[in-house]
Amino acid sequence: EAEVAQSPRYKITEKSQAVAFWCDPISGHATLYWYRQILGQGPELLVQFQDESVVDDSQLPKDRFSAERLKGVDSTLKIQPAELGDSAMYLCASSAQGNTEAFFGQGTRLTVV
Amino acid sequence: QQQVKQSPQSLIVQKGGISIINCAYENTAFDYFPWYQQFPGKGPALLIAIRPDVSEKKEGRFTISFNKSAKQFSLHIMDSQPGDSATYFCAASVLSGGYQKVTFGTGTKLQVIP
Repeated sequence: EAEVAQSPRYKITEKSQAVAFWCDPISGHATLYWYRQILGQGPELLVQFQDESVVDDSQLPKDRFSAERLKGVDSTLKIQPAELGDSAMYLCASSAQGNTEAFFGQGTRLTVV
Repeated sequence: QQQVKQSPQSLIVQKGGISIINCAYENTAFDYFPWYQQFPGKGPALLIAIRPDVSEKKEGRFTISFNKSAKQFSLHIMDSQPGDSATYFCAASVLSGGYQKVTFGTGTKLQVIP
């Protein structure tokens, strides 16, 4: 069964260091989402791609976060420098064209110490 | 306008009972309403979804009831089991500017006790 792949599953980093997460969506899915989920809360959209173009990054803290999906397939989310408040689960999801379900990866649990 | 309000925040149900989670929305342009189930340490997984042209959809023990005029929808879990203990998120989405915009509810933590 096709699934969204994310790595790493867990990441511990020191404050002010750089950290990067990788996502490989389901093959053929044009839409890719990066969400941040703080424990006990719902997913919060950070950035949304349609193919290789960013269509929504209104909630992305652009002073420290960046995201790219260069060939319209896999994607990288980077944080530099990491802050204590960035500790959260980072979820990647993808969906096919149109208004339909999003498939989520297992997420990357980030702990900033 | 884009907000989806979910209640209750947490729910404890006895095994065999009915779990009911409610969501309300404002944006009448939403036209796809999925429910996601999330276990600790995992990503959300689609449980069941409905479009506004039907008032109810049932899949096994899970039913979505949809009230378009009231702008409300709910998830019913019949014969709740301990394995159903998870966090449930409702969501609503719309095609806007050619791409899908998804808004999630705040989540309901369900605990089913034996």
